[in-house]
Amino acid sequence: SQTIHQWPATLVQPVGSPLSLECTVEGTSNPNLYWYRQAAGRGLQLLFYSVGIGQISSEVPQNLSASRPQDRQFILSSKKLLLSDSGFYLCAWSLRGGGYTFGSGTRLTVV
Amino acid sequence: AQKVTQAQTEISVVEKEDVTLDCVYETRDTTYYLFWYKQPPSGELVFLIRRNSFDEQNEISGRYSWNFQKSTSSFNFTITASQVVDSAVYFCALTQNTGNQFYFGTGTSLTVIP
Repeated sequence: SQTIHQWPATLVQPVGSPLSLECTVEGTSNPNLYWYRQAAGRGLQLLFYSVGIGQISSEVPQNLSASRPQDRQFILSSKKLLLSDSGFYLCAWSLRGGGYTFGSGTRLTVV
Repeated sequence: AQKVTQAQTEISVVEKEDVTLDCVYETRDTTYYLFWYKQPPSGELVFLIRRNSFDEQNEISGRYSWNFQKSTSSFNFTITASQVVDSAVYFCALTQNTGNQFYFGTGTSLTVIP
């Protein structure tokens, strides 16, 4: 069966520090991978999606970047965090036309 | 352009009441998929249902039912005899047949009061 792992679950980081959130998928090959952010009290915003290794599409220009070094690994990064980067980050995978499976999320607080 | 609208931001009901969550979508595609997800307080998103644009049959799963009407571009979700465990944020979403991106509504926060 397919599983998705996302870590850490919670993170408190100072402004200006770097960020690295990791997401891995098991039990499937060549999935579409996604990073979403849910700011407090707001809906889901697509940040990045990837259809293959090294292929990243950015939906919202901002302080974040994503990389896909392996088929089932998706990393969200920042060189210098801003206060506005605080939120709940969700990784997800899907196969074409199928539903999303979401990770358990990372609650990031930038202080 | 694709868009999903969930006009109800917050809903509160008393336990055992029925509640309907509204979802209205916009798309120019003739083939598309609609979804509902539940996000409990823990934050994880849980898949509830997928419906493709060619299947307008209503679906019932236990206390949950979905009403898909292409004529009004709506995909409403009804919980019958609500329970406290139903308290969560519910998201409606749309994806194109060949696209990669999902379009989410802003979510409806449901609180079931015991």
